[in-house]
Amino acid sequence: LAKTTQPISMDSYEGQEVNITCSHNNIATNDYITWYQQFPSQGPRFIIQGYKTKVTNEVASLFIPADRKSSTLSLPRVSLSDTAVYYCLVGEGNQAGTALIFGKGTTLSVSS
Amino acid sequence: GAVVSQHPSWVICKSGTSVKIECRSLDFQATTMFWYRQFPKQSLMLMATSNEGSKATYEQGVEKDKFLINHASLTLSTLTVTSAHPEDSSFYICSARDSGRPNWEAFFGQGTRLTVV
Repeated sequence: LAKTTQPISMDSYEGQEVNITCSHNNIATNDYITWYQQFPSQGPRFIIQGYKTKVTNEVASLFIPADRKSSTLSLPRVSLSDTAVYYCLVGEGNQAGTALIFGKGTTLSVSS
Repeated sequence: GAVVSQHPSWVICKSGTSVKIECRSLDFQATTMFWYRQFPKQSLMLMATSNEGSKATYEQGVEKDKFLINHASLTLSTLTVTSAHPEDSSFYICSARDSGRPNWEAFFGQGTRLTVV
């Protein structure tokens, strides 16, 4: 499994755009990039997944450069409720028997 | 959408007793479920992979006799912490991947906070 590196923590203010970058230099051809969000005392929640270029949903955007060695999760206009830990995971998508392996994640703190 | 339900959400038990945690996939079948443990301010650590109808696969360093896993149906896996001790106090989370979703999206239970006193 490709190792991921992301900042330990980030601070932001309400209304700002937050970009969290994840490095995954050893990503394999079949690997997808997935981001999860975790609030205290809750299980992780899927945010977004992509393979290349840009993916956008109602929550976030995911930017993946051509070499796919990194990815950036973009949260538009964050609010206090976006304070959470964000995990970047890299792995094959179509394996039900494969567990997700979590790195340290990025703790995002949003202030008013 | 797909949901994984975990019960109980929290439990306090005395040292030496056993505690059972249930994990259910509510609207999809999961031949495989995963159990994680998370200590305060740390990431999720995979403990074991639960396979329906067969033995679970444990990660290195996880005692299979202490953390009993049973996956008797396609929608239910249980984790029993036997002879619990204070050092077993942690946040336990289960997960399952839904083959009906794009890229077998993984869903997580809400977690169980175990406190051993």
